[in-house]
Amino acid sequence: QKEVEQDPGPLSVPEGAIVSLNCTYSNSAFQYFMWYRQYSRKGPELLMYTYSSGNKEDGRFTAQVDKSSKYISLFIRDSQPSDSATYLCAMSGRSGGSNYKLTFGKGTLLTVNP
Amino acid sequence: GAGVSQSPSNKVTEKGKDVELRCDPISGHTALYWYRQSLGQGLEFLIYFQGNSAPDKSGLPSDRFSAERTGGSVSTLTIQRTQQEDSAVYLCASSLAQSGGGSEQYFGPGTRLTVT
Repeated sequence: QKEVEQDPGPLSVPEGAIVSLNCTYSNSAFQYFMWYRQYSRKGPELLMYTYSSGNKEDGRFTAQVDKSSKYISLFIRDSQPSDSATYLCAMSGRSGGSNYKLTFGKGTLLTVNP
Repeated sequence: GAGVSQSPSNKVTEKGKDVELRCDPISGHTALYWYRQSLGQGLEFLIYFQGNSAPDKSGLPSDRFSAERTGGSVSTLTIQRTQQEDSAVYLCASSLAQSGGGSEQYFGPGTRLTVT
């Protein structure tokens, strides 16, 4: 079993839809959870950064972490064509003391259709 | 402000040649990371630099890979005797100094390496 599992999609939604992206993980040492957005042939862009369980909201984006279920989510409200990209979850924790070493999911390709 | 910059953006090299990839982190960021992104493997950690501490090289896939960071700023990733399986996008990230917590890592645009 991989440490971080993420459905690769592709996911296609109409403009204005609510998008739900998810990752599961197996390493209970993970404490820091991130979502990155990556446009084609660009570097990943940090969208959300959360510590431990709970919710965090930033504009149209909401990140949720459920450590008891080892499950994280990113919700995008009122999705726009400009949200079309690959979304990567990433996490780190004190596994072996290296809380800076990010472990990534393989990414979900999202297309928002006008 | 300026983000992380990397050069070259693309590099095509012949199998067996050495390549050098450069990363210039965000000003003021003392932590620097290299990752590799390949089709089959996703994003993988390679190496981490923090200030004057010894780097964490635990992610380097073989001894053909090395990296250095001069003056606490610019970093160079060197791949010797390149192989076709080294073809990937090499990403650099930087963050503020850590104080025991996690780190918000900001990535550069990457260098796309193709070994022919």
